[in-house]
Amino acid sequence: EVQLVESGGGLVQPGGSLRLSCAASGFPFSTFWMSWVRQAPGKGLEWVANIKEDGSEEYYVDSVKGRFTISRDNAKNSLFLQMNSLRAEDTAVYYCARGSSGYGWNYYYYYMDVWGKGTTVTVSS
Amino acid sequence: SHVLTQTPSVSVAPGQTASITCGGNIIGSESVHWYQQRPGQAPVLIVYDDSDRPSGIPERFSGSNSGNTATLTISRVEAGDEADYYCQVWDSSSAVFGGGTKLTVL
Repeated sequence: EVQLVESGGGLVQPGGSLRLSCAASGFPFSTFWMSWVRQAPGKGLEWVANIKEDGSEEYYVDSVKGRFTISRDNAKNSLFLQMNSLRAEDTAVYYCARGSSGYGWNYYYYYMDVWGKGTTVTVSS
Repeated sequence: SHVLTQTPSVSVAPGQTASITCGGNIIGSESVHWYQQRPGQAPVLIVYDDSDRPSGIPERFSGSNSGNTATLTISRVEAGDEADYYCQVWDSSSAVFGGGTKLTVL
């Protein structure tokens, strides 16, 4: 069974750090892009970051650039999100998702076809 | 960067057809994907690349994309379809989601 399980969420003070993990199973992890997506309470989905299969490329939403770092350990089928200098507005459920990508006739596409259940991050004093 | 506009809410009676739209500048030239998120659950991919369905997704769910609007159509709506629906595209180096549409089944 294809599965993604997040962990590492919790309560942290503003300015603090947290490291999220995502354990993947049931598919060849090293052959897929991976993503983090978050959802603030009562709000919509917000993409946070992507990482290429071999970890050689990373992309971030502007609001987390310089504060968050996505990484992966293909030997352990694991995805990570290191979050530093956390702010109240980072409070959200964080989802790990598997990415699928390709090229159409004149465009590149990327979507997330498997999602974990999420882990909750609360930034508050 | 891309801005994807979704109507905040849509209501439909059981058995009827629901149409959920996603507006964006020349979105018809991009690949649009749709997710369903039931209350308290993680999102689920229901349509990718405008109109393809992942295995296990009922044929009642279909997608189209042309001009400045992509549309998710749900035929023969059931009570279990009540959820939030999000469209998504890839914009140069980032994934962009629409604001979401809450589907209420009357």
